[in-house]
Amino acid sequence: DAGVIQSPRHEVTEMGQEVTLRCKPISGHNSLFWYRQTMMRGLELLIYFNNNVPIDDSGMPEDRFSAKMPNASFSTLKIQPSEPRDSAVYFCASSPQDSSPLHFGNGTRLTVT
Amino acid sequence: SQQGEEDPQALSIQEGENATMNCSYKTSINNLQWYRQNSGRGLVHLILIRSNEREKHSGRLRVTLDTSKKSSSLLITASRAADTASYFCAYGAVSARQLTFGSGTQLTVLP
Repeated sequence: DAGVIQSPRHEVTEMGQEVTLRCKPISGHNSLFWYRQTMMRGLELLIYFNNNVPIDDSGMPEDRFSAKMPNASFSTLKIQPSEPRDSAVYFCASSPQDSSPLHFGNGTRLTVT
Repeated sequence: SQQGEEDPQALSIQEGENATMNCSYKTSINNLQWYRQNSGRGLVHLILIRSNEREKHSGRLRVTLDTSKKSSSLLITASRAADTASYFCAYGAVSARQLTFGSGTQLTVLP
């Protein structure tokens, strides 16, 4: 089991550019979560999917953020256009079902200059 | 999502000592979980305690849950330098399907 795989590990981009973060959950897990972690705000849930369907996207900060899960083995989080305040570590996590222990990827550290 | 509160925010102890971290929350829960995060890595699940349980052990970890006070504690006994990490509680609210994470405790174990 390779665990949850995120790419890229680091992303540096200029303000206004589009950023796409990718996640491959653990096979067989029905729930997928995107979190953002900053020193100021801690760990924030952005959106989560159950069986590929978005269940709660109330944590998505703005329309600049969008997430998709086209199939059970892949999800993307897109920011367009990116802003410096989006700089954070973005984590993807998966679990067999709601409220089960989460399995986190190692995150994507995003820096927007 | 509203975060749980953890204290202390930071804790520094000597190797061999015990470390206690506390977590408080505000809603009815199904379970409460503790996670560990090493620098630059994702969170790793440590232990889960259900709302009808009061205490649970796993190796050097001991977790307690007091639903009347809406609080939990994580005790790490005989700490090691390798225990240095951030520790987060996370709870599954009855009214929600996803976990809410606390603000975390940064533990430093000095060799």
